[in-house]
This record gives sequence, structure tokens and C-alpha cells, in this order.
Amino acid sequence: DVKVTQSSRYLVKRTGEKVFLECVQDMDHENMFWYRQDPGLGLRLIYFSYDVKMKEKGDIPEGYSVSREKKERFSLILESASTNQTSMYLCASSFPLLAGGSQETQYFGPGTRLLVL
Amino acid sequence: GEDVEQSLFLSVREGDSSVINCTYTDSSSTYLYWYKQEPGAGLQLLTYIFSNMDMKQDQRLTVLLNKKDKHLSLRIADTQTGDSAIYFCAERRGAGNMLTFGGGTRLMVKP
Repeated sequence: DVKVTQSSRYLVKRTGEKVFLECVQDMDHENMFWYRQDPGLGLRLIYFSYDVKMKEKGDIPEGYSVSREKKERFSLILESASTNQTSMYLCASSFPLLAGGSQETQYFGPGTRLLVL
Repeated sequence: GEDVEQSLFLSVREGDSSVINCTYTDSSSTYLYWYKQEPGAGLQLLTYIFSNMDMKQDQRLTVLLNKKDKHLSLRIADTQTGDSAIYFCAERRGAGNMLTFGGGTRLMVKP
């Protein structure tokens, strides 16, 4: 079974703090993703990584950075947390799309609910 | 506005069928997905359909795709209280790795 774990289920931080959200997957997936989930907005992609040390901006990268030093670990960093970053953060991983167009499934972690005061 | 749209809420009685609808805008979508999110949990892939198909059935789940109208639906037969969750549709465009998600439909099943 694929397992995607996130370091915390709940976090409370103060405005201006630096926040690290960690995600680890055990299936040797090349792709890893960070989303935020807000009511009525669904999931919005913040960043994704398709290989170690490689990253691409998603739809809403402002205020975030990421780090992928090892294949199994993808970190989301809030350099200076703000109240509008209060949200549920979901990590996902997948194999890359295979040549020929086979579907790739994204497997999700349980989420980290972050509250910024 | 969002590229993938869903209604926010659906309520059904236990034993009835549920139909959750989704519309998308990009005709280059290759795969369309349905994910389920139970309270306090991450997203779980339920099923997917390739864009050259118009129907896929998997036990109680039936996915219908109308590519002309860019409309996707998920039908759950004999809905149970354990089906209460938020359901997200998502599309993948072309050969890219990224998915675009709808806002989610909260399904409430009344006993």
C-alpha cells in the first residue's frame, strides 16, 4: 500500500513565524505535490516537484517555498506565516506519466490543518 | 472563475441513488477523476475515466462523461451512510502531471 505521511495533523503558529510542513512517501514516487484546501475553493496547487531538487510553481505559489533534497521527502515552507495562510495543507505523490499516456494516480496524505494567529 | 465546477451540497436518503455532477472547460482533458474525502482525512481516489470513454462502471459507482458538453457525473447506487463525504472531481490536461480540482460536493446521507 502507498503511504503518504505528513509530519503534523494540526499546527498553530503566530503571524511572522517560519513554518515547515513535511511530507514523506514510501513508494519511490518521482512526483510530489503540495495543495491547500479551502472551503468552496477545492484544492489549489501550490508547488510540485518531479525529481530531487526540481520544483515547479503551481497556481498559488506566493508566500510559499519548497525543498526536495531527497526523493521521499517534500517540504513546504512558509517564510513568514500570515493569517490568510490558515488552511488545510495536503501533500500528494505519484509516478510520472508513462510514455503512451497511462494514467497516474495521485496518493494523498491525511493533511495538516494550520492555524495562523 | 474555476475551470472545474461542482455544486456544493447534495442530500439523499439511505438506499437512494446519488448523482454528483461536474463541469469542466478544457477540451484537452485526458483523464478525469473522482476523489472522496472523509472527515479529517486526505483524498482517496475512487475512480477515473479516460477521455475517449463515455461510461465506466465499478460496483456501485458509475461514471458518465459527456465530452461534447464537458460534463462528468458520478452515480452512487444504494447510497449508504458511509458514503457521506466530500467528493472532488479533477481533470488532467494533456500529458501534464498536474490536476485541476473542483470545489468539492458535500454528500450527506440521511438514514
